[in-house]
Amino acid sequence: NFMLTQPHSVSESPGKTVTISCTRSSGSIASNYVQWYQQRPGSSPTTMIYEDNQRPSGVPDRFSGSIDSSSNSASLTISGLKTEDEADYYCQSYDNSIPVVFGGGTKLTVL
Amino acid sequence: QVQLQESGPGLVKPSQTLSLTCTVSGGSISSGDYYWSWIRQPPGKGLEWIGYIYYSGSTYYNPSLTSRVTISLYTSRNQFSLKLSSVTAADTAVYYCARYYYDSNWFDPWGQGTLVTVSS
Repeated sequence: NFMLTQPHSVSESPGKTVTISCTRSSGSIASNYVQWYQQRPGSSPTTMIYEDNQRPSGVPDRFSGSIDSSSNSASLTISGLKTEDEADYYCQSYDNSIPVVFGGGTKLTVL
Repeated sequence: QVQLQESGPGLVKPSQTLSLTCTVSGGSISSGDYYWSWIRQPPGKGLEWIGYIYYSGSTYYNPSLTSRVTISLYTSRNQFSLKLSSVTAADTAVYYCARYYYDSNWFDPWGQGTLVTVSS
């Protein structure tokens, strides 16, 4: 089984751009789609990115996803940071042996 | 617009069985496009996938929980359920149900979650 490793926390100022990484421990990051979920305090998760870089309707284009095979990682980039973006973010993927794997989550602070 | 809602006891005694139900509204649980899933989150910690069920009744469980988990489907009531046996304090968590896209492997939407505490 593989693991997805995220930084425990990141912080950035309003209006800036932040990138959250998600590194796959084994197997190719490009072999299986990566998803990103936002979880605000006291709320259930919502999807920000699916299939590596697709945004569900209603998610602003300030949110983007990408894959980097050289580092075997996925990234969530948030531009034009707003205080409302402050939340926990989780990546998620899968493979043939384990249908669902979540990263440990990253706490984004907008200060 | 599909919505999911968890229900069940908020307190379960150690060694007993945790039982939760997820009611799906705004869409049919019999669709072949989705798996119907359970995920949990211990207080202050990350997300853990428990398992999911397909409309055919096929189930897939997290290997770390498979010996204690049963997920069932009730198509006439548009519901699915979770049973977790022999619970301990480590099973205290917010339990979410969610729809999982069969072809592209993502969760949406999620229920609001229900806190289950394991304590005597």
